[in-house]
Amino acid sequence: DAGITQSPRHKVTETGTPVTLRCHQTENHRYMYWYRQDPGHGLRLIHYSYGVKDTDKGEVSDGYSVSRSKTEDFLLTLESATSSQTSVYFCAISESAGSNTDTQYFGPGTRLTVL
Amino acid sequence: GDSVTQMEGPVTLSEEAFLTINCTYTATGYPSLFWYVQYPGEGLQLLLKATKADDKGSNKGFEATYRKETTSFHLEKGSVQVSDSAVYFCALRYMGNTPLVFGKGTRLSVIA
Repeated sequence: DAGITQSPRHKVTETGTPVTLRCHQTENHRYMYWYRQDPGHGLRLIHYSYGVKDTDKGEVSDGYSVSRSKTEDFLLTLESATSSQTSVYFCAISESAGSNTDTQYFGPGTRLTVL
Repeated sequence: GDSVTQMEGPVTLSEEAFLTINCTYTATGYPSLFWYVQYPGEGLQLLLKATKADDKGSNKGFEATYRKETTSFHLEKGSVQVSDSAVYFCALRYMGNTPLVFGKGTRLSVIA
């Protein structure tokens, strides 16, 4: 299994509070991604990173920001959480070279509830 | 844009039954195709993949063939087990830095 951890694994917060989710990898992969999973929508890309301090928006980026100051860490921040951001959040990584650059590996997920 | 459509669930089967989960895609190029599986309470695991037309991916008794002519990548298993109960996602992606495009997932329940 790819070395990907997410913290926290579960969080309950209130509307309007800031929340930061962390993804940590030990694989030294260049690319990292944040997805959210919601019933009836599958997984949707929020933001991704293609290197330290290099990030870009995904399909559902509104209300989210990201930062990557080290190869191994990718942070997702909800500046002011809303109930519509209640979801399960998954981090993923992929290689930048070699025969498996098409494959993404996923972390265990963070279940976030915004009351 | 690129998209993936998979059959809606839930799918309920008896143990040892034959499984097919349909997946079709639309793509502007020549993507790799994937099946991911999500067991209850866990993240997504790569189940199998195929990188070009007519390739067959296989793992744990599951198979899927990349059919360019029908733009399909149907997942099959000859004899399912209770432990196969999970949500299955079909996805496509190109080599390099491109996002995965997922289908909405199909929940499979296998009963003894």
